[in-house]
Amino acid sequence: GQQLNQSPQSMFIQEGEDVSMNCTSSSIFNTWLWYKQDPGEGPVLLIALYKAGELTSNGRLTAQFGTTRKDSFLNISASIPSDVGIYFCAGSSTGTNAGKSTFGDGTTLTVKP
Amino acid sequence: NAGVMQNPRHLVRRRGQEARLRCSPVKGHSHVYWYRQLPEEGLKFMVYLQKENIIDESGMPKERFSAEFPKEGPSILRIQQVVRGDSAAYFCASSIDRGTEAFFGQGTRLTVV
Repeated sequence: GQQLNQSPQSMFIQEGEDVSMNCTSSSIFNTWLWYKQDPGEGPVLLIALYKAGELTSNGRLTAQFGTTRKDSFLNISASIPSDVGIYFCAGSSTGTNAGKSTFGDGTTLTVKP
Repeated sequence: NAGVMQNPRHLVRRRGQEARLRCSPVKGHSHVYWYRQLPEEGLKFMVYLQKENIIDESGMPKERFSAEFPKEGPSILRIQQVVRGDSAAYFCASSIDRGTEAFFGQGTRLTVV
């Protein structure tokens, strides 16, 4: 089956620093999604990418859909304490059905004030 | 507007009992997806349903697990004769259409003792 390799597994940074995490896959995806999950909660969609090469921003977050359609990265600029959480990438290859996705194992972000 | 509502939030079952997890999608959404998340892992797709129909159950274990989304009422994920390995967080997501982003509920945390 399809697998996503997400890295790094965890990050410990100082408040104000920039963060970068990425996902790679052996399979091509038509859609890349980035989610944040807080403890005890469900994932919340941060950014959705639908075209190879697409670069999309959402506030301090920027994500790109790799040109090979097998990778994506997420950058967070000027991190703040509320950025703490687990970030998941997800890829969808079943047409445009973004509801059925393959998830990475997550990057746990800790921000020290 | 209420988001995806899942209940119960926490469920404890003894080995061999049945677990019934409920999901009420966002009002107006007719597409529902169930995912399972083991500790420190990403979400794994289980099943995709559209009102009264199972569209894709490729991630659902062949035995003991079943899902439904009746014309009226919530979607139900049913696990018969639970075993310790069924302990996980189960998330439901819904979307308004096949090709649009899905929104997740807060999950049901199942513990089998």
